[in-house]
Amino acid sequence: DTGVSQDPRHKITKRGQNVTFRCDPISEHNRLYWYRQTLGQGPEFLTYFQNEAQLEKSRLLSDRFSAERPKGSFSTLEIQRTEQGDSAMYLCASSARLAGGPSTTDTQYFGPGTRLTVL
Amino acid sequence: GNSVTQMEGPVTLSEEAFLTINCTYTATGYPSLFWYVQYPGEGLQLLLKATKADDKGSNKGFEATYRKETTSFHLEKGSVQVSDSAVYFCALSPYNFNKFYFGSGTKLNVKP
Repeated sequence: DTGVSQDPRHKITKRGQNVTFRCDPISEHNRLYWYRQTLGQGPEFLTYFQNEAQLEKSRLLSDRFSAERPKGSFSTLEIQRTEQGDSAMYLCASSARLAGGPSTTDTQYFGPGTRLTVL
Repeated sequence: GNSVTQMEGPVTLSEEAFLTINCTYTATGYPSLFWYVQYPGEGLQLLLKATKADDKGSNKGFEATYRKETTSFHLEKGSVQVSDSAVYFCALSPYNFNKFYFGSGTKLNVKP
């Protein structure tokens, strides 16, 4: 496994612009998660996918945020009309929920994150 | 609801000192519990986990025991090294593993 990768690692944008982040999970991991981490805090759950289906969205994910995982592999997180409050580290994680397997096999593996700064 | 509370940092220790980072949780049902570590400039890495009451997770000299009666999962290490300097996050995942709930993190500084 090459690990979870995220692109870009850093993004600086002006308020009102749209940004898109990409996450490539560990190959064959069928679950993918997005979290947001602000300075001095732990990650907060945003949304997760099982294969291509988006199964849960946090209330933190306003209508300016959209996430996709079109083929059940990589995922994108788009933020429209960015605001200064969107400045944070955006983390992606993946896990493998084995069909018929015990849920105790799930462990989330995290990528290095994308640090977004909105000016 | 689900939540995790961990001791505030930073924690500063001398090399070879004993480490305890407290973590308590509130959860519905029977969650799994985790400790993740974040080294400077790197992503979160799983340190250890425990999936049921009385389980002990261990890795790299770190240990934590799942205590259902006290709803705790304290992280311990008998002798810390400078290389252990990092931010440590306690987390829980509800039974169906659809998300993690993280504590706010505890920064550990180990001085030579």
